[in-house]
Amino acid sequence: EVQLVESGGGLVQPGGSLRLSCAASGFTFSSYWMSWVRQAPGKGLEWVANIKQDGSEKYYVDSVKGRFTISRDNAKNSLYLQMNSLRAEDTAVYYCAREGYFAMDVWGQGTTVTVSS
Amino acid sequence: DIQMTQSPSSVSASVGDRVTITCRASQGISSWLAWYQQKPGKAPKLLIYAASSLQSGVPSRFSGSGSGTDFTLTISSLQPEDFATYYCQQANSFPRTFGPGTKVDIK
Repeated sequence: EVQLVESGGGLVQPGGSLRLSCAASGFTFSSYWMSWVRQAPGKGLEWVANIKQDGSEKYYVDSVKGRFTISRDNAKNSLYLQMNSLRAEDTAVYYCAREGYFAMDVWGQGTTVTVSS
Repeated sequence: DIQMTQSPSSVSASVGDRVTITCRASQGISSWLAWYQQKPGKAPKLLIYAASSLQSGVPSRFSGSGSGTDFTLTISSLQPEDFATYYCQQANSFPRTFGPGTKVDIK
């Protein structure tokens, strides 16, 4: 079964850091671009970042540039999102997603990040 | 960045109705558009990719059309399980951007 499972969410104070992980199974992880997408409470979807199969290209939404870093370990079939200098507006459910043919065709269940003092 | 808009923001419909949602890009994106369905508390689900290609396993009552800047998602005969929020997303350039969503609820 093709599956993505996120972990690492939690409550963190403003200015703090958190590292999200996404474990992939059931497909050849190293063959796909991978993305992080977030959804603030009661709001729509916001694409956060993505990374090429070999990690050589990475793209970010402007609001997280310089604070978040996407990475992957193909040997461990894992995707990561290192989040630093967290702000209240980063509070959201964070999903990892596989990019198929110019669309995100497999999604994880999400992990919740709450930034609050 | 490419901005995506959707209309309507919400629609009330009955089972069996034909529902059409439109999505507009702020600049041309060829056919690099996807549609997703999201139910409360659940992850989004891909319905349509490349503007008009039906994702495997998605019922044929869903269809997509359009190219350039204007796109539509049509549900030919609304079923109870289709009440959800629908998002378009451009895949032409980075950053990827989503539309604000269209909520389809029960009339």
